[in-house]
Amino acid sequence: GQQVMQIPQYQHVQEGEDFTTYCNSSTTLSNIQWYKQRPGGHPVFLIQLVKSGEVKKQKRLTFQFGEAKKNSSLHITATQTTDVGTYFCAGVSGNTGKLIFGQGTTLQVKP
Amino acid sequence: DTAVSQTPKYLVTQMGNDKSIKCEQNLGHDTMYWYKQDSKKFLKIMFSYNNKELIINETVPNRFSPKSPDKAHLNLHINSLELGDSAVYFCASSLSPLPTYEQYFGPGTRLTVT
Repeated sequence: GQQVMQIPQYQHVQEGEDFTTYCNSSTTLSNIQWYKQRPGGHPVFLIQLVKSGEVKKQKRLTFQFGEAKKNSSLHITATQTTDVGTYFCAGVSGNTGKLIFGQGTTLQVKP
Repeated sequence: DTAVSQTPKYLVTQMGNDKSIKCEQNLGHDTMYWYKQDSKKFLKIMFSYNNKELIINETVPNRFSPKSPDKAHLNLHINSLELGDSAVYFCASSLSPLPTYEQYFGPGTRLTVT
């Protein structure tokens, strides 16, 4: 079935360093969503990308959707301790019409 | 004024027991979901209802039975609990069953089966 792969699984950074998580699909995605889950919390919607090559920014967060609509990335500039959590991408395949979550990337930020 | 609420927050029970988790949303959404998050944080959809009708039923043991008395509520009943059922169960809702709509998650129910 459709899979959405996310790497890395874990990332430890020093506060102030940048961070990137990558999301890849074997099939073309109609759209991709990103969620953040704080430790002990629940996933919270961050953003959705729909267009090929789309780039969206939210303060220090930059989201990209690949030209072929098979991959996406989330980049955080100058991480802060408030960025700690697990970041999930979730993609929709045109074939299944279902939202499939990646495995998540857990970010730890050392102050 | 919590958007999506779940009860209970924690559930500890023994193998073989039957338990229920309740979910309510006050967002006026048409679609509700149940997800299971395992110890590795993998989020897997279990069920989805739209206006009280089941629209997604993933490969889940039939010990799990969802029920939606109205579109604001989606409950999950689990029979004959097994150790492998230990996980965090999240309820979520969205405006529409179309996967282009963002999902709002509840706080989760941590189920521990001993």
